[in-house]
Amino acid sequence: DQQVKQNSPSLSVQEGRISILNCDYTNSMFDYFLWYKKYPAEGPTFLISISSIKDKNEDGRFTVFLNKSAKHLSLHIVPSQPGDSAVYFCAASTAYSGAGSYQLTFGKGTKLSVIP
Amino acid sequence: DGGITQSPKYLFRKEGQNVTLSCEQNLNHDAMYWYRQDPGQGLRLIYYSQIVNDFQKGDIAEGYSVSREKKESFPLTVTSAQKNPTAFYLCASSTDRPLGTDTQYFGPGTRLTVL
Repeated sequence: DQQVKQNSPSLSVQEGRISILNCDYTNSMFDYFLWYKKYPAEGPTFLISISSIKDKNEDGRFTVFLNKSAKHLSLHIVPSQPGDSAVYFCAASTAYSGAGSYQLTFGKGTKLSVIP
Repeated sequence: DGGITQSPKYLFRKEGQNVTLSCEQNLNHDAMYWYRQDPGQGLRLIYYSQIVNDFQKGDIAEGYSVSREKKESFPLTVTSAQKNPTAFYLCASSTDRPLGTDTQYFGPGTRLTVL
């Protein structure tokens, strides 16, 4: 049972345009969400996060939107650059996981290709 | 230069052999984690540790073992009991604040291939 879903395995966008990556979750206990970027054969790199008390968080070209009622979040990249081409993972956590540890549940990722 | 190191980058082993993957961090983080990534899949949690000498099973702990004798180190042993050990293994660490506002930082990964 996948609690975090990224339904688009891949996305192609022209350089300079907006990239929108989507993520849905089923566990209503999730209250902290993160996006990671991953290049092949490397570890994921943290991009941006948002807590459930907010509906938007912005950092430079990256903005994450959270719609709690729809259990949906999205990552917007504007403008998209060729160096943004990578796999993007959505991850979610509960603030209190019982053991007190900050465990993450990951989606399967979306491969973004930015075409020059 | 603070960070997480994993060694080696690529590892080959024969079927039936145990193998230990190294993970070291100098970020002074309390919590450390091991994940496995398979093609087309997300990251799945194998084991995690909040403090020294304590660790907990994740979603797919069968066939794996860990130890946490030092804060900086969290080695993962892939035993012969693991049915499909070939995968990309990622180690991560965080400061493990219960309010969940911290972030996990990842090492570069180890690609294990069992022949």
